[in-house]
Amino acid sequence: DTEVTQTPKHLVMGMTNKKSLKCEQHMGHRAMYWYKQKAKKPPELMFVYSYEKLSINESVPSRFSPECPNSSLLNLHLHALQPEDSALYLCASSQVGIGEQYFGPGTRLTVT
Amino acid sequence: QKEVEQDPGPLSVPEGAIVSLNCTYSNSAFQYFMWYRQYSRKGPELLMYTYSSGNKEDGRFTAQVDKSSKYISLFIRDSQPSDSATYLCAIGRGGAQKLVFGQGTRLTINP
Repeated sequence: DTEVTQTPKHLVMGMTNKKSLKCEQHMGHRAMYWYKQKAKKPPELMFVYSYEKLSINESVPSRFSPECPNSSLLNLHLHALQPEDSALYLCASSQVGIGEQYFGPGTRLTVT
Repeated sequence: QKEVEQDPGPLSVPEGAIVSLNCTYSNSAFQYFMWYRQYSRKGPELLMYTYSSGNKEDGRFTAQVDKSSKYISLFIRDSQPSDSATYLCAIGRGGAQKLVFGQGTRLTINP
């Protein structure tokens, strides 16, 4: 099974709201990722967790707050977002140190 | 110079044609190479993963890596309208968890 699941599929939020994106995988992968993707652009890395610890933060604004509660789950907490944060947010997972990453279907976020 | 260059297209071919998609990269330290297919408004789907120079075949798809030329290719045989999507190459280094993506090539297969 190479499935990564993400909820919700769609999210509309105001600039003062707080919301969370969720990601889950059951492939035994110990590396999990958050990406942001704008239309007609490749995915842009935001955060990487290895063994449930944050290993890479690509200078993402603090209004995005990641959390890895356990080896199967990854959350992205959102607060005080801007309209330009509207995008497809993708979760991915892989073995640590191995290249092939498996992506979820994404959450389409609209900030109004 | 970008680390990975990929022609964004768009590329439009008739059904049944052989499609060739390509990326070039600049850093010889890259060790593994992937191709993803992404349908509109969906997440990228891993199609092919290779770790060395040479060819790897899976059904109608063949991935080719030439490390000496820093050039990778994806061939699609007997292309189908369902192959219409954006194809992304992704390249990485061993032990590093950051992938470098190409810009993606938008492909349309016309019935």
